[in-house]
Amino acid sequence: DTEVTQTPKHLVMGMTNKKSLKCEQHMGHRAMYWYKQKAKKPPELMFVYSYEKLSINESVPSRFSPECPNSSLLNLHLHALQPEDSALYLCASSQDPLLADLHGELFFGEGSRLTVL
Amino acid sequence: AQKVTQAQTEISVVEKEDVTLDCVYETRDTTYYLFWYKQPPSGELVFLIRRNSFDEQNEISGRYSWNFQKSTSSFNFTITASQVVDSAVYFCALTDDKIIFGKGTRLHILP
Repeated sequence: DTEVTQTPKHLVMGMTNKKSLKCEQHMGHRAMYWYKQKAKKPPELMFVYSYEKLSINESVPSRFSPECPNSSLLNLHLHALQPEDSALYLCASSQDPLLADLHGELFFGEGSRLTVL
Repeated sequence: AQKVTQAQTEISVVEKEDVTLDCVYETRDTTYYLFWYKQPPSGELVFLIRRNSFDEQNEISGRYSWNFQKSTSSFNFTITASQVVDSAVYFCALTDDKIIFGKGTRLHILP
């Protein structure tokens, strides 16, 4: 079982809806990530939170709004999405973004599969 | 620019055969890390291995082995005596300040 938990596993929403994806980890990790993955494509980085502060925003449209309430939780708020935003949204965490020896070892959740109608 | 190339889009082998997944990378950095991740049908990516650019030793972990050759900028992954449970998409990745994934190789192990 993955130690990064994402809810919901599946979400269908209309273009005018507001919804949120949630991610939780209890491994004491200090970096958390949102990735977007389209079918048969590699994951694409969206956001990185390091010590609960947004450190990377990969020029993601403002209809995606991340939030990190504490070191264990990461949310992705969705508003006015487009059908092309339909994808698997993966959350990941890593132990300490400042430790080079642990660099890049990410722990992923199973993802939230989003369909925008 | 940094780049990871996985030329094999899809591979099918019969169970118990050995299979090698190729990965070629490009970077101008002298310090970098290379990774392999497995993505089974359930969706989550599973970390398999990390190698830093100063460590060219090959690694073996059970049926898995990795061959890192800086001279050819390759970091290939071999599964020995493949099993159906090895069926997944495998991503090679390179990192400097963020992870760059290759396009992945979809591996089918046929019973």
